[in-house]
Amino acid sequence: DAGITQSPRYKITETGRQVTLMCHQTWSHSYMFWYRQDLGHGLRLIYYSAAADITDKGEVPDGYVVSRSKTENFPLTLESATRSQTSVYFCASKPGGPISGNTIYFGEGSWLTVV
Amino acid sequence: EDQVTQSPEALRLQEGESSSLNCSYTVSGLRGLFWYRQDPGKGPEFLFTLYSAGEEKEKERLKATLTKKESFLHITAPKPEDSATYLCAAPGAGSYQLTFGKGTKLSVIP
Repeated sequence: DAGITQSPRYKITETGRQVTLMCHQTWSHSYMFWYRQDLGHGLRLIYYSAAADITDKGEVPDGYVVSRSKTENFPLTLESATRSQTSVYFCASKPGGPISGNTIYFGEGSWLTVV
Repeated sequence: EDQVTQSPEALRLQEGESSSLNCSYTVSGLRGLFWYRQDPGKGPEFLFTLYSAGEEKEKERLKATLTKKESFLHITAPKPEDSATYLCAAPGAGSYQLTFGKGTKLSVIP
């Protein structure tokens, strides 16, 4: 079924470990995004990518690394996980061009707990 | 700084009791106002986009409206299945991504 697939859906890790959250989309959308959602803050943009090999920081990029070697994949890596990175992470995508006239579609989320 | 503010944070309604959710924004040169629905444990699901003051869009019991400074999501005769968190968003810097409000959690009691 077409759409956005995130994995793992649930992950518990220890402080200091490296964690990678995977995101795969089947729409061939140009843009892909990573948001985190926390109580009291809502959805905040971590990183986004306009195309393969083009990435840019969002509102809260510190502690995260992204890459995009293929259009359909956009992994998010926490290089050394901290408890403050316990959150729900959403991958999203949209077609190319400005947001006006398009919309962003979200995956089901990855629940990450750092202990 | 572009901001999107939603109110109330939470709303409890009896089944059939109509009400409205508010989304105010301070975004220069608005290029669309987006509404999403989010069910517990799920990702946000797109509902509507509004582009100009006076525009209205409807879907089942939901109607979204837009003025120059705010948007309303009107819920007419809600049912328990309308219970969800409703998010509004506006294009952020660079116009290629969305800045979200914190959402309104709607509970419809049978």
